[in-house]
Order: sequence, then structure tokens, then C-alpha cells
Amino acid sequence: GENVEQHPSTLSVQEGDSAVIKCTYSDSASNYFPWYKQELGKRPQLIIDIRSNVGEKKDQRIAVTLNKTAKHFSLHITETQPEDSAVYFCAASIGNAGKSTFGDGTTLTVKP
Amino acid sequence: EAGVTQFPSHSVIEKGQTVTLRCDPISGHDNLYWYRRVMGKEIKFLLHFVKESKQDESGMPNNRFLAERTGGTYSTLKVQPAELEDSGVYFCASSRRQGLDEQFFGPGTRLTVL
Repeated sequence: GENVEQHPSTLSVQEGDSAVIKCTYSDSASNYFPWYKQELGKRPQLIIDIRSNVGEKKDQRIAVTLNKTAKHFSLHITETQPEDSAVYFCAASIGNAGKSTFGDGTTLTVKP
Repeated sequence: EAGVTQFPSHSVIEKGQTVTLRCDPISGHDNLYWYRRVMGKEIKFLLHFVKESKQDESGMPNNRFLAERTGGTYSTLKVQPAELEDSGVYFCASSRRQGLDEQFFGPGTRLTVL
């Protein structure tokens, strides 16, 4: 089955700096890659996703890149703010299968 | 629209007892998923319903876990008898379409087995 590895497990940055979280996946059939943000005590929420037919997607301060050949994808957050502090999960899924396979999560702390 | 809701938010039970978790998906979402996060590890897939049918239950750990979705609306996940390793946060998620579609998560049920 699919295996997703996520690094780093914890990340601490200064406000205004950039943060990068990296994930690799094993199943070349995976074609949908969502990223979820879980703030303390709240539910995971989708922040950005990318499908395998594109290599990069950007939404304001958040961007995701996908390298299908290397089977890895990354989340980039620029100009980080304290409210970006949360646990971030990457996931991979095969379009017609439905279920998502998640990484272990990255705890991001943005210091003011 | 109302989000995915789960009940209870917390449950503390003793080993050997039974617990039933409930999930109410977003109205109109045929796809309902159960996930579990144990000890700060990954959010692990348990099973997937399409309406009232089990599409994929490959993630169910063993036969102590029973999920139902009668009528294709809300779903229940029963653990009987509970073991210590069942402790964790159980998430429910729903989506309108299967596959390339956002899954909306519920707030989770934190289960502690003593």
C-alpha cells in the first residue's frame, strides 16, 4: 500500500521567515496531494491541494510543489506569522480510491 | 453549511468496556471516512463508506471494531471490547465526491482506554 513520509517532525522559525515541509510517497498511482493544517484543539482543515497534472500551485503565502518523477511534494509558507503555528499534515491518495494516506505531521512554531 | 460533527468529544473507558462513536457528515456527502491518530503519529485510515456501503475497510485493525452507516446518513464506530492500544483521536471526514475532492474533517473524538 501507499506510504507517506514527512519531514521534519518539528520546525521552528522566526516570524517573517519561510517554512518548508517535505513529503515523499511510494505509490506512483497517487494523483491527489492535499495538505491539512490542524490548530491546537481544532479539526484538520485543507489549506491547499495539488493534482498530479500540475507541478506547482500557489495561494497567497502558501505554495505546494510536486515532483512526480521523484515522488515528493513540498509545502512552502512565506512570510510566516504566529497564527501559522499548527500541525501540518501531507497526504496522498489515488483519485478513484477515496482514502488518503497521511504523513506523521509537522509541528510548526512561528516565534514572534 | 454545517460541518462534520462527532460525538462524544472525549470518552474515557476501562479496558474491556464498549464505546460507540458517532459521526454526522455534511448533508449531501455520500462519502464518509473514519481515521485514527494514535500517540502523535500519522492520521491512519480505517474505512470508507459510500452511502451505506463499505467501500474500503482495509484499515480496520481487527474484529473488535465495527462501523455502520445505516441509511447512508450518520455513521457509528463501535469498539468492543476496548484495549489500551485503542486510545487515540478518532476522526470522521466526509466528501461529496470520491477521490479528487476535499475531505472535510470533524473535530474528532479523543478516546482514552485505561
